[in-house]
Amino acid sequence: GAGVSQTPSNKVTEKGKYVELRCDPISGHTALYWYRQSLGQGPEFLIYFQGTGAADDSGLPNDRFFAVRPEGSVSTLKIQRTERGDSAVYLCASSLTGLSGAGYTFGSGTRLTVV
Amino acid sequence: AQKITQTQPGMFVQEKEAVTLDCTYDTSDPSYGLFWYKQPSSGEMIFLIYQGSYDQQNATEGRYSLNFQKARKSANLVISASQLGDSAMYFCAMRENNNAGNMLTFGGGTRLMVKP
Repeated sequence: GAGVSQTPSNKVTEKGKYVELRCDPISGHTALYWYRQSLGQGPEFLIYFQGTGAADDSGLPNDRFFAVRPEGSVSTLKIQRTERGDSAVYLCASSLTGLSGAGYTFGSGTRLTVV
Repeated sequence: AQKITQTQPGMFVQEKEAVTLDCTYDTSDPSYGLFWYKQPSSGEMIFLIYQGSYDQQNATEGRYSLNFQKARKSANLVISASQLGDSAMYFCAMRENNNAGNMLTFGGGTRLMVKP
């Protein structure tokens, strides 16, 4: 596609439930990033994929969070036993190599609300 | 210590005037990149401008310019001839090139409001 696509755009879930957030990057972009943006704050890094492998997952807050990118394109962020504190906008970004000076292309995000 | 600091939570500017959004950064990496993004109410992060740490000249992109003062570790964004559509959140971000992850670290943002 022309841009980074994230689905769903909005997700409301009950505390304790499992959710999956999907990111479809720009075709050919090998680097993919997940960020979390809480209300009134800047995005915070969660995990970085180079190809199929998670090259850096140091931003994942705890073991309830997991992400995969099995074929090196689409990525899924998975959150188990959701908590109200997980409510945020989850942003996905992709770039050609990860060292681009032109920046990273972001999706519009998934707004997750845990009630 | 905060790696990226944006000290202005909100700014007003009159339409057609210029405005400067402040950003200071902290890194010991000699090679890094600085970015500015615009986030309108729709939520998408829109890339505006990039400055590499070794670039000799300040970056410019249309109405956007980056006032890069390396010794002071500041990378302020200047928007000339403000337009109503410039009203949005603006984020400064840094990529430290010695970091294998190449991820961006963002500041807390500045909300710019353009008055007609």
